[in-house]
Amino acid sequence: GAVVSQHPSRVICKSGTSVKIECRSLDFQATTMFWYRQFPKKSLMLMATSNEGSKATYEQGVEKDKFLINHASLTLSTLTVTSAHPEDSSFYICSAREAGLTDTQYFGPGTRLTVL
Amino acid sequence: AQKITQTQPGMFVQEKEAVTLDCTYDTSDPSYGLFWYKQPSSGEMIFLIYQGSYDQQNATEGRYSLNFQKARKSANLVISASQLGDSAMYFCAMRGRNTDKLIFGTGTRLQVFP
Repeated sequence: GAVVSQHPSRVICKSGTSVKIECRSLDFQATTMFWYRQFPKKSLMLMATSNEGSKATYEQGVEKDKFLINHASLTLSTLTVTSAHPEDSSFYICSAREAGLTDTQYFGPGTRLTVL
Repeated sequence: AQKITQTQPGMFVQEKEAVTLDCTYDTSDPSYGLFWYKQPSSGEMIFLIYQGSYDQQNATEGRYSLNFQKARKSANLVISASQLGDSAMYFCAMRGRNTDKLIFGTGTRLQVFP
């Protein structure tokens, strides 16, 4: 299957600082990437759809100014959590859609963010 | 509205036995795709198997097979010859027509014991 990387895998930051998470498709080009958030023992919650060369589409209730998404190339999307607070602590996971017959989404390994 | 239901919060199976994880869905789209993902404790979501709504045959991938019953709107995952490494959370997901979004179920935690 296709490979998606995510960096960093873990990050601890102080309240008020910003954190950038990178998502890369390593062996395919992805015009569309997705950012999810997962709370402990819960399912994935879609935050936004990231489109290469255009603005991201955010889900209802997700603050655009809080979670900045940039899809700069066909293999890279970034999520920046601005002015992070302890309630932003969570597991963030990205996926990239491989265009084809099934349009399967392949996921990165996730980033565990802890805001002190 | 689309919805995925996984009614089994947890399942146990003995090593080398087969296990079925249930998934039912609801959609008004005539064309859709169904996916199963495995999430081990490390957190990574691993794609397992795909079934298209118009596929005539049930999908199979190694030890994984999908028991697709369209009239019942069910897409159960069957894992044959369970291994200890199969212990993980399993999520069923659906993508409807003309949309990129995946709708996930709440997941089933599978534990394989020796």
